[in-house]
Amino acid sequence: DGGITQSPKYLFRKEGQNVTLSCEQNLNHDAMYWYRQDPGQGLRLIYYSQIVNDFQKGDIAEGYSVSREKKESFPLTVTSAQKNPTAFYLCASRAGQGAGQPQHFGDGTRLSIL
Amino acid sequence: AQSVSQHNHHVILSEAASLELGCNYSYGGTVNLFWYVQYPGQHLQLLLKYFSGDPLVKGIKGFEAEFIKSKFSFNLRKPSVQWSDTAEYFCAVGLYSSASKIIFGSGTRLSIRP
Repeated sequence: DGGITQSPKYLFRKEGQNVTLSCEQNLNHDAMYWYRQDPGQGLRLIYYSQIVNDFQKGDIAEGYSVSREKKESFPLTVTSAQKNPTAFYLCASRAGQGAGQPQHFGDGTRLSIL
Repeated sequence: AQSVSQHNHHVILSEAASLELGCNYSYGGTVNLFWYVQYPGQHLQLLLKYFSGDPLVKGIKGFEAEFIKSKFSFNLRKPSVQWSDTAEYFCAVGLYSSASKIIFGSGTRLSIRP
């Protein structure tokens, strides 16, 4: 079945440590996204990528980094500069570059600080 | 800056009651509009979308939404809710000026009393 796979499901980070969240899709979608979901704040856009080797900052990119070396992969690194990283992280993808296409979402990664 | 507002944070209804969830956005250009639903323990899934044409769009499970351009609104409605509609509902806006950028509202938690 085609879909989006996020791993791991749960992740723990020590103070001062960088961690990387994986997102893989086999839907052949061009665009990929990372959102952060906090209670009462909905989904906030961290980064998005329209095509391979290109990505743009979203509304809360500080303390995060991404890469898009392959169409199917869009890993998110939460750096030590992100002071409040505890959250639920969602990856999404979308076919084409037209704004009318809906997004498909993964099951999320919950990141906690030790 | 572009934003999406969902003013109802938590709505509690009895079964068979009618539902309307508000969504307003701030963006002067052309948009595509989406409603997503997140059932407990499940990933986000598309309820309906507006791309062009008839501003009244129908989605899955008896939901519909009306795009009122003059009011920058895209409210979600259902004439008679069921207990199984208990979920969190998110409004999202895709911006034509940046074809892949999609921003979300803060979400509305809907609880249905059996």
